[in-house]
Amino acid sequence: AQSVTQPDIHITVSEGASLELRCNYSYGATPYLFWYVQSPGQGLQLLLKYFSGDTLVQGIKGFEAEFKRSQSSFNLRKPSVHWSDAAEYFCAVSSSGGSYIPTFGRGTSLIVHP
Amino acid sequence: GAGVSQSPRYKVAKRGQDVALRCDPISGHVSLFWYQQALGQGPEFLTYFQNEAQLDKSGLPSDRFFAERPEGSVSTLKIQRTQQEDSAVYLCASSLGPGRVEQYFGPGTRLTVT
Repeated sequence: AQSVTQPDIHITVSEGASLELRCNYSYGATPYLFWYVQSPGQGLQLLLKYFSGDTLVQGIKGFEAEFKRSQSSFNLRKPSVHWSDAAEYFCAVSSSGGSYIPTFGRGTSLIVHP
Repeated sequence: GAGVSQSPRYKVAKRGQDVALRCDPISGHVSLFWYQQALGQGPEFLTYFQNEAQLDKSGLPSDRFFAERPEGSVSTLKIQRTQQEDSAVYLCASSLGPGRVEQYFGPGTRLTVT
């Protein structure tokens, strides 16, 4: 069965600092990987996805993520955080085919200090 | 509107009551998903529709949970004889159809069972 681990429940950064949110997955074959963001009272918004090809993927809002098969990781990064990036971030994995039903991690809450 | 809408946004039910949660997907989206998000957790899959057909209901936690999408558009998630453990945010998402990965999420319905 597929699973996702987000080891950090909370991350605090200063505005303008760089950010890396960790995600490790467990899946037997080549996974489809996703990062979503959830602001308070809002639904989830897809930031980026990885299916195949270039292991460094670019997303919206200046985010990027790197797929490392050897480490079973798909960490999310941003070079300079803005106060509006404060939100909950979810990593997800799904099987490569079918209905693409994702399995989500428990999320990492990003706090941004001015 | 152009996005996925859900109603009500908030629902308080007494233990033992039945509730019905509504989801209006994006017009033309074939696939529809329901998720349950407990406090401090990531969303967990409940059920999946392709048009009016419920293709996967493996995530429904008990036979008290029932979902339908009779005309292939609006969907209703019904919970009978609510229990305290049913308290969660219920998220609906839609996508263009099989093979189309990106899911668009609604804002969710927060259910509190007292």
